[in-house]
Amino acid sequence: DVKVTQSSRYLVKRTGEKVFLECVQDMDHENMFWYRQDPGLGLRLIYFSYDVKMKEKGDIPEGYSVSREKKERFSLILESASTNQTSMYLCASSSPVGTYEQYFGPGTRLTVT
Amino acid sequence: QKEVEQNSGPLSVPEGAIASLNCTYSDRGSQSFFWYRQYSGKSPELIMFIYSNGDKEDGRFTAQLNKASQYVSLLIRDSQPSDSATYLCAVNRDDKIIFGKGTRLHILP
Repeated sequence: DVKVTQSSRYLVKRTGEKVFLECVQDMDHENMFWYRQDPGLGLRLIYFSYDVKMKEKGDIPEGYSVSREKKERFSLILESASTNQTSMYLCASSSPVGTYEQYFGPGTRLTVT
Repeated sequence: QKEVEQNSGPLSVPEGAIASLNCTYSDRGSQSFFWYRQYSGKSPELIMFIYSNGDKEDGRFTAQLNKASQYVSLLIRDSQPSDSATYLCAVNRDDKIIFGKGTRLHILP
């Protein structure tokens, strides 16, 4: 079974703090993704990565950055957290060949106060 | 036009009946189609994928694809209360996936 883990299930941070969300997958997948999910807005892609040290902007990259130093690990960074970044953050991974199905981690519910 | 469209629901179905969930997509180049189930407060879980026209069955679930009509559906037979969740339709765009906003399904005991 594919396993994707995320560093925290719940996180509370203050406005202006730097926040790190970490994601690890054990299936040797090249592709990894960060989404946020908000009521009524669905899943929105923040960043994705096709390989180590590679990153691509998704639909809503503003206020976020990412790091991929190892194949299994993909980190999302909020440089200066703001209240409008309160959300559920979901990491996913997929193989670059075949049908591209994505497997999700359990999610991190981030609250910025 | 949104890339992947679903009725938001809620869709209410009596226990034991067939639940039918529908999805349309705009990109004729899409090759792979997915259904995810998401329980409240949890992450999406892949339950079906299909890439050929026609039906694909897995237990109580049947995915149906009609590329000419750009239409994907999911049928859930013998619906159970545990099937109550939001169902996300997704299609590939290159090697990314585009998700619909989901249909909330409520199974009435």
